[in-house]
Amino acid sequence: DGGITQSPKYLFRKEGQNVTLSCEQNLNHDAMYWYRQDPGQGLRLIYYSQIVNDFQKGDIAEGYSVSREKKESFPLTVTSAQKNPTAFYLCASSISRVQETQYFGPGTRLLVL
Amino acid sequence: SQQGEEDPQALSIQEGENATMNCSYKTSINNLQWYRQNSGRGLVHLILIRSNEREKHSGRLRVTLDTSKKSSSLLITASRAADTASYFCATDGGGADGLTFGKGTHLIIQP
Repeated sequence: DGGITQSPKYLFRKEGQNVTLSCEQNLNHDAMYWYRQDPGQGLRLIYYSQIVNDFQKGDIAEGYSVSREKKESFPLTVTSAQKNPTAFYLCASSISRVQETQYFGPGTRLLVL
Repeated sequence: SQQGEEDPQALSIQEGENATMNCSYKTSINNLQWYRQNSGRGLVHLILIRSNEREKHSGRLRVTLDTSKKSSSLLITASRAADTASYFCATDGGGADGLTFGKGTHLIIQP
């Protein structure tokens, strides 16, 4: 069964806590992306990675961090510096940067306690 | 920054009718894509149209692109209740960061 998985489906964060959202893909894609979606809004790019051990900031990277140690995995950490983390987080991948179609995971909804 | 802007923001039609959504953008593009999102789910790719194409079909979907007006339209014919979802256009300007998404059109198909 090929695709992108995200876990958990729901995540609760306490004040001052860092939390990590998981994104795994078995599509052998080089490029991976993290987006944030607020209610009634489009997607905003947080971070992207074109290849293992390389990643770049997107439009709203402040308060977030990522790593890309393996081709299959692109975890996103929401740090305590992110003051308004409540949102729906979507991970996506594409074969490469020049393969433009992106494939999305099911998303993680982050809520603040 | 968001480049694509969909219009209308929301659309409600009867089952069997056609639904048309529009997307406008600001800068030059390599291609424009349409995605669908069911409530609380990830996005699903529907169709990609390149900057040198004017029209493309996929099943009940028809997409047009007018690069002189920097606009695109998505037509869903013979709509079904299952078509109820949000539809997003996304532009690829050729940058390393990939796609730029609009805010979407929320489509409701009344049975």
